[in-house]
Amino acid sequence: KAGVTQTPRYLIKTRGQQVTLSCSPISGHRSVSWYQQTPGQGLQFLFEYFSETQRNKGNFPGRFSGRQFSNSRSEMNVSTLELGDSALYLCASSLGTGRITDTQYFGPGTRLTVL
Amino acid sequence: AQSVTQLGSHVSVSEGALVLLRCNYSSSVPPYLFWYVQYPNQGLQLLLKYTSAATLVKGINGFEAEFKKSETSFHLTKPSAHMSDAAEYFCAVNAGNMLTFGGGTRLMVKP
Repeated sequence: KAGVTQTPRYLIKTRGQQVTLSCSPISGHRSVSWYQQTPGQGLQFLFEYFSETQRNKGNFPGRFSGRQFSNSRSEMNVSTLELGDSALYLCASSLGTGRITDTQYFGPGTRLTVL
Repeated sequence: AQSVTQLGSHVSVSEGALVLLRCNYSSSVPPYLFWYVQYPNQGLQLLLKYTSAATLVKGINGFEAEFKKSETSFHLTKPSAHMSDAAEYFCAVNAGNMLTFGGGTRLMVKP
């Protein structure tokens, strides 16, 4: 079974621009979560989508948004980029049962650099 | 809120030595805990998970972890370190469709 895929793997943008990242979950998984990883803040939860609806949201500004399509693929968008948005963005998929035993499997990440 | 704390942001061991990476959790309900590993420029790979079926959990690559409720710990161990184990390791707790991670421990293996 193919793993979680993320595109693109690397992105360079300038301040003020916007960016869209894509994530394809493992086949059969209906939940997609997004995380931001930075050296200073570590791994932080952005949001989770299940059945095209945002089910959970972390503590990030409204510039960070996402969506999920009917085939469970997900995109996240960051508008008005700031230097501090430079990070590795990780996508994870799971069955989405809602049980806390649900295991998340991660993609390779998208490295975003904001200049 | 559930949380995990990893003691030691950097751990250095010699090849063939015991690996011990520490993780303590804070939870008022039975936690579901995970260990992930991250190699340079890669995503997170699941090493093992605790879901209350057994207190000693065996994972991939020879790693195992023991859940100790009395110590609120879930430390990761490996009897003999290999150079390929050099990576960053993260302990995490599932707080309902959302993983909360510890700060991570970077493991260095000396030849």
